Amino acid sequence: DAGVIQSPRHEVTEMGQEVTLRCKPISGHDYLFWYRQTMMRGLELLIYFNNNVPIDDSGMPEDRFSAKMPNASFSTLKIQPSEPRDSAVYFCASSSGRLGTIYEQYFGPGTRLTVT
Amino acid sequence: AQSVTQLGSHVSVSEGALVLLRCNYSSSVPPYLFWYVQYPNQGLQLLLKYTSAATLVKGINGFEAEFKKSETSFHLTKPSAHMSDAAENFCAVSAAGKLIFGQGTTLQVKP
Repeated sequence: DAGVIQSPRHEVTEMGQEVTLRCKPISGHDYLFWYRQTMMRGLELLIYFNNNVPIDDSGMPEDRFSAKMPNASFSTLKIQPSEPRDSAVYFCASSSGRLGTIYEQYFGPGTRLTVT
Repeated sequence: AQSVTQLGSHVSVSEGALVLLRCNYSSSVPPYLFWYVQYPNQGLQLLLKYTSAATLVKGINGFEAEFKKSETSFHLTKPSAHMSDAAENFCAVSAAGKLIFGQGTTLQVKP
């Protein structure tokens, strides 16, 4: 298996622009998680899905952030408009609830976002 | 509510020395506990897990951890550090479908 795939790996954008991060989970996994990692705040869970349905979005910082999962093999995290304080590494992770291993999350390589 | 506290944001050991990374947890229900490792410019990967079976669990790369309910601890150890062990390490506790991560401990290994 190719593992969790994220794109792009690096994104540099100007303040006010729309940013879309993409994630392809491991085939067969029914849980998908979006995290943000910064030096100041560490690793934060933004939102997670089960069977393509958002279960907990309490970590989404504000309305500028939105996430979708239109099917089992694709998810997006969108920031509109972006701000410099959104600069971080964004990780996608997936896991399998069907196998009873929901907490054994497989992380993608991350997208390093820089907003200038 | 579940939480974890990692004692020490940075641990430095010499190659061949004992590694000890400390983690204490708080949970209102019997927890599942995990250690994840993050190498530079990579995502996290599972090092080992405790899921209410044996209290001493072994993971990849020679790491192990012991669940101590009386101390609410889940410390990570390795008898002999290797240069390749240098990484960020995260302790995590299960919380109703999601993981709550600690702030991380950077392990530095000196030659």
